[in-house]
Amino acid sequence: AQSVTQPDIHITVSEGASLELRCNYSYGATPYLFWYVQSPGQGLQLLLKYFSGDTLVQGIKGFEAEFKRSQSSFNLRKPSVHWSDAAEYFCAVGTGYSSASKIIFGSGTRLSIRP
Amino acid sequence: EAGVTQSPTHLIKTRGQQATLRCSPISGHTSVYWYQQALGLGLQFLLWYDEGEERNRGNFPPRFSGRQFPNYSSELNVNALELEDSALYLCASSLRAGNTEAFFGQGTRLTVV
Repeated sequence: AQSVTQPDIHITVSEGASLELRCNYSYGATPYLFWYVQSPGQGLQLLLKYFSGDTLVQGIKGFEAEFKRSQSSFNLRKPSVHWSDAAEYFCAVGTGYSSASKIIFGSGTRLSIRP
Repeated sequence: EAGVTQSPTHLIKTRGQQATLRCSPISGHTSVYWYQQALGLGLQFLLWYDEGEERNRGNFPPRFSGRQFPNYSSELNVNALELEDSALYLCASSLRAGNTEAFFGQGTRLTVV
């Protein structure tokens, strides 16, 4: 069965420090991969997506992610975090005919920023 | 361009009542998805509607139902509300075919008391 694992429930980093959020997936075919961010009480905003092609994907707000098929991973990175990056981050895999027809989400990683 | 809009923002219902949640997709999008985000359970896929028909359904009981109207807006109905139905309900929309991503609304916070 398809699944997404985000092993880190909560991460705290200092403002200006680098960030890497881990994501591992289980899926038999080439997946559609997403990272979403959710601020408190808000909906989800798409940070970036991978469908095919270049395995290093650039997103909004200075985020990037790298698809590594051999490791079944799609880790999210940012070289220097800002206090406004504090939020919940969700990794997701799209498995349906339309990439969005059934998105399976990870359990999320809550990011806190230390001043 | 307007994003996905959901109403109401907050909804408080009594156990056993029915709740109706509404979603308007982005203009031009024909697919609408519903997700439940309950505390401790993460985001779970509920329903997918496209061109007025239910295309896929998550592992939820039949008292969770919905429909999609000719203008592609959608309703989610939850009958016989239970306390554990309290959650943030997120609606998303996408273009029908191909490699597309879902754009999410801000959600409806349903509280069952």
